Amino acid sequence: QVQLQESGPGLVKASETLSLTCTVSGGSTSGYYWSWIRQPPGKGLEWVGYMYYSGSTNYSPSLKSRVTISVDTSREQFSLKLTSVTAADTAVYYCARGNLDGYSYYYTDVWGKGTTVTVSS
Amino acid sequence: QSVLTQPPSVSAAPGQKVSISCSGSDSNIGYSHTSWFHQLPGTAPKLLIYENNKRPSGIPDRFSGSKSGMSATLDITGLQTGDEADYYCGTWDSSLRAYVFGSGTKVTVL
Repeated sequence: QVQLQESGPGLVKASETLSLTCTVSGGSTSGYYWSWIRQPPGKGLEWVGYMYYSGSTNYSPSLKSRVTISVDTSREQFSLKLTSVTAADTAVYYCARGNLDGYSYYYTDVWGKGTTVTVSS
Repeated sequence: QSVLTQPPSVSAAPGQKVSISCSGSDSNIGYSHTSWFHQLPGTAPKLLIYENNKRPSGIPDRFSGSKSGMSATLDITGLQTGDEADYYCGTWDSSLRAYVFGSGTKVTVL
């Protein structure tokens, strides 16, 4: 059974770069869309983006200029970098496995437990 | 402001049925397939439904999904106290070229 675990600093200073890693256990990174989703305190879910294991990416238009997702298949990990953070980036960050359904539409089927990141001034 | 609109809350007594709507447009729900997630307090979201009406292994058949035009619906029958959670719909938006989530619905068991 695939499990995902986020790791990284819980506190990041404003204007700096947020960096998180997600470790995949019980499965392979090959063949999937490795995704990040975030949830600001008391608010709903916001999709950040994904990287397909072979390298193609797709990012949220509102974050595209600041976000990079990368996958390290040799270490079965994938990462999120978000530059120039502000208080609005304070959220619980979830990593997730993206898949395609029978009609090739993307969805996320396995999620990590999430990690809280606070941006301080 | 979410691209997909859900009612803020729904409620019913134990054993009853609730339906949660997710309204969108022809570039998202009308274009793609909808997934549903529930988020128990303090936990990560969990997939309940994908491809509009399919359940992952382990999800009871009390949860069912449907889609008609530009709206999707999640039905929960035989409501249990453990079903109290926030529920989100999600789908791909072809105009935004991004995955979008609904605003979320809080289910309360009376």
